[in-house]
Amino acid sequence: QVQLQQSGPGLAKPSQTLSLTCAISGDSVSSNSVAWNWIRQSPSRGLEWLGRTYYRSKWYNDYAVSVKSRIIINSDTSKNQFSLQLNSVTPEDTAVYYCVREKAAAGKTWFDPWGQGTLVTVSS
Amino acid sequence: QTVVTQEPSLTVSPGGTVTLTCASSTGAVTSGYYPNWFQQKPGQAPRALIYSITNKHSWTPARFSGSLLGGKAALTLSGVQPEDEAEYYCLLYYGGAWVFGGGTKLTVL
Repeated sequence: QVQLQQSGPGLAKPSQTLSLTCAISGDSVSSNSVAWNWIRQSPSRGLEWLGRTYYRSKWYNDYAVSVKSRIIINSDTSKNQFSLQLNSVTPEDTAVYYCVREKAAAGKTWFDPWGQGTLVTVSS
Repeated sequence: QTVVTQEPSLTVSPGGTVTLTCASSTGAVTSGYYPNWFQQKPGQAPRALIYSITNKHSWTPARFSGSLLGGKAALTLSGVQPEDEAEYYCLLYYGGAWVFGGGTKLTVL
């Protein structure tokens, strides 16, 4: 059974960097049939896909246009985890952040499991 | 900017049938958009229900079904139960990016 455990601070200051980590158990961050996503949710923006990282002989990243200039998603194979870094945050980045596995098989794609969610508040 | 549109709210009676839809601003939704549906109840993370149009997870109740309907992805609940009251979100793939719909608040009344 795959499980995702999120960690990281629940508070970030404006203009600084939001950093979260997602530890994976039951799967490998470098599996070639999965992608590792970050998704956030706020009352004003609803659910918002932020980006993903995945390994297909080399590492790839895809990012949402809305955050592309500020986001980095990295993987750490030694710790079997991946991370989110969102730079230059503003109060609009206040949200619950989720890490989510995207699995592909037989031409189908699904999103499960989800991490427990981390409320990150951007405030001075 | 790609927009995915869902009905903001729907109301259904217990035992009834309701269809939620998911439209793309780029045109008709097809299999290449890999439509996914999620259910979210207050205070919980979203839970996957349907993937790639019609496919159910092992935990998805039989009363939930997915389809393509009139150029949109659709989620149909047949024989609605009170516990189905929740927010429902669709998710579509745009070649390297995923976009969520705004969600449908389903009230069972």
